[in-house]
Order: sequence, then C-alpha cells, then structure tokens
Amino acid sequence: QKEVEQNSGPLSVPEGAIASLNCTYSDRVSQSFFWYRQYSGKSPELIMSIYSNGDKEDGRFTAQLNKASQYVSLLIRDSQPSDSATYLCAVKIKTIFGAGTRLFVKA
Amino acid sequence: EADIYQTPRYLVIGTGKKITLECSQTMGHDKMYWYQQDPGMELHLIHYSYGVNSTEKGDLSSESTVSRIRTEHFPLTLESARPSHTSQYLCASSESGTGWADEQYFGPGTRLTVT
Repeated sequence: QKEVEQNSGPLSVPEGAIASLNCTYSDRVSQSFFWYRQYSGKSPELIMSIYSNGDKEDGRFTAQLNKASQYVSLLIRDSQPSDSATYLCAVKIKTIFGAGTRLFVKA
Repeated sequence: EADIYQTPRYLVIGTGKKITLECSQTMGHDKMYWYQQDPGMELHLIHYSYGVNSTEKGDLSSESTVSRIRTEHFPLTLESARPSHTSQYLCASSESGTGWADEQYFGPGTRLTVT
C-alpha cells in the first residue's frame, strides 16, 4: 500500500460545479497535510495546508481533514477551466507526495 | 511569489558529460529538496538537505550527488550523464524547525535531455 494514495483521474467536472478530490494516507502519526496544484509543464505550487481535523476554507477552496479515517480532501467550488491541473496531496511527518489527481474542467 | 531559482531551465547534452544543475533560494530556508519528475508522472524525491553540510538520499535511487555548502545553494551534479537521466528536475525549499509546517516552495525546474 502506498503511503499517500490518490485517484489518478482524470476527474471531469462541468464549469461551475464542485470538484471533490480525495486523498488517503497510511501513517497515523502524520501531522501536516497539504494540497499542491501543478499545471502541465509547470512546478507544483502550494494552495492549501491543514493541520487539524475539520474544514479549512480559502476562497473557492476547502480542505477537509479526518485523522480518524486518515483522509484529506479538497473541494473546489464554482470550478473554472483555469482550475484544470493535477492536484497533489502531500502528507508530513516526512512529506510524501501522492501521484496526483488530474482534474479537467469543461467549459 | 517564491524566491527560488533554478538554472538552466533547459539543457540538452550528450552522453558522458558532467553536468551541474543549480538551485538557489533567498528565503533563508534550511530545508531543500530535489525531485525528479517525468511528464505526466509523479514526483520522486531524490535528495534532501536539512541544513549546511547535511545531505540525504531520497526515496528514489539516483546516480546524482548534491552538496550544501551554503544555506541558499543546493546544486545537483551528474558525473556522467546518460539518456536514462532525461527528466524534469525540480528543486524546492521549506522553512526550518521541526514544527507543523513543511510548506514547500518549488523552483521552475530544469528540463534535462541527454542524447
């Protein structure tokens, strides 16, 4: 089992819809959780970090963490074509990147 | 915007050449990382450093070597490039300390092609 698992996608959602991206991790003592966005041919960029159970909202993005179930998710409200990218989930103690989920937002 | 730089951005080189990929950051971060990523594939950590004179190998075996003589500089060297080294190399840095945060900031990457 991989330490950080994501569905590779592609996940296709219509413009304006909510995109829901999920990530599970295996190490129960993981403390910090991050979502990075990577456009094709570009470097990853940090978009959200979350450290405690519950929801954390930042604009159209909401990160949700459930340590008991060992999953972290990213919701993108009012999805735009410009959100089309690969979204990487990362987990620390030692930061381990998941393989990423490709999101495609249809105009 | 993150202040982390990589040069060159693109490099095409012949087999057997020695190359050094440069990475510098001006954020005073103690931690620095090198990742390798093929197009459409996942990131693989190949080297990391927690400070000056500290270097460790990552999860993916690599024939490259790194050095950390100055906090801001973390070059990666391939003594003899081979076509199998063709890939995108990404450098990243994060703040020091053992606290919660490990938010990594990435450089623009170096796309290496070995012919």
